[in-house]
Amino acid sequence: EAGVVQSPRYKIIEKKQPVAFWCNPISGHNTLYWYRQNLGQGPELLIRYENEEAVDDSQLPKDRFSAERLKGVDSTLKIQPAELGDSAVYLCASSLDIQREGSFFGPGTRLTVL
Amino acid sequence: DQQVKQNSPSLSVQEGRISILNCDYTNSMFDYFLWYKKYPAEGPTFLISISSIKDKNEDGRFTVFLNKSAKHLSLHIVPSQPGDSAVYFCAASRRYSSASKIIFGSGTRLSIRP
Repeated sequence: EAGVVQSPRYKIIEKKQPVAFWCNPISGHNTLYWYRQNLGQGPELLIRYENEEAVDDSQLPKDRFSAERLKGVDSTLKIQPAELGDSAVYLCASSLDIQREGSFFGPGTRLTVL
Repeated sequence: DQQVKQNSPSLSVQEGRISILNCDYTNSMFDYFLWYKKYPAEGPTFLISISSIKDKNEDGRFTVFLNKSAKHLSLHIVPSQPGDSAVYFCAASRRYSSASKIIFGSGTRLSIRP
């Protein structure tokens, strides 16, 4: 069974440029998460989807970040415009029953903003 | 305000001995706790979890202990193996809250030496 797929794996952009990340969750997983992980820190939740509905986006900086999950499967996370402080690893995760098996993470996208 | 704290950034243990990773939390509403393991350039992998109604959960070489009065949990790995070298994240959540989110600690880097 394929795991959570993310692309690209690495992205280097200049500040003020836009950037987008893509995630394909594990088949059948209704819950999808986007996390941001800064160096030396644990993942921090940006947004959580149940199917196509964003049920928790309280930590998403809405002035520059946006996300969508059309048809309740794949998801994209966009930053426009990017700032230096956005450099981090962006992780996507999905789950069927987080209480029994936790969530499954993708390999992440490492973003560097110059 | 760090609700989940891993105060040891790193730990070195000899192969075959016991590894003990510690985690403290501040929010008494947390009722579900998880440990994740992360290798370089990969996303975190769910390892083991424990509900607040238990004080111990065991899975093979991995055991998690929960002390609710002290708001402390620990992960024991015995015997430690070279493949256990990774970063370990402690995480906590409120299982039955509709606004539940998983809060991660900052991680402990475990190194198993021969």
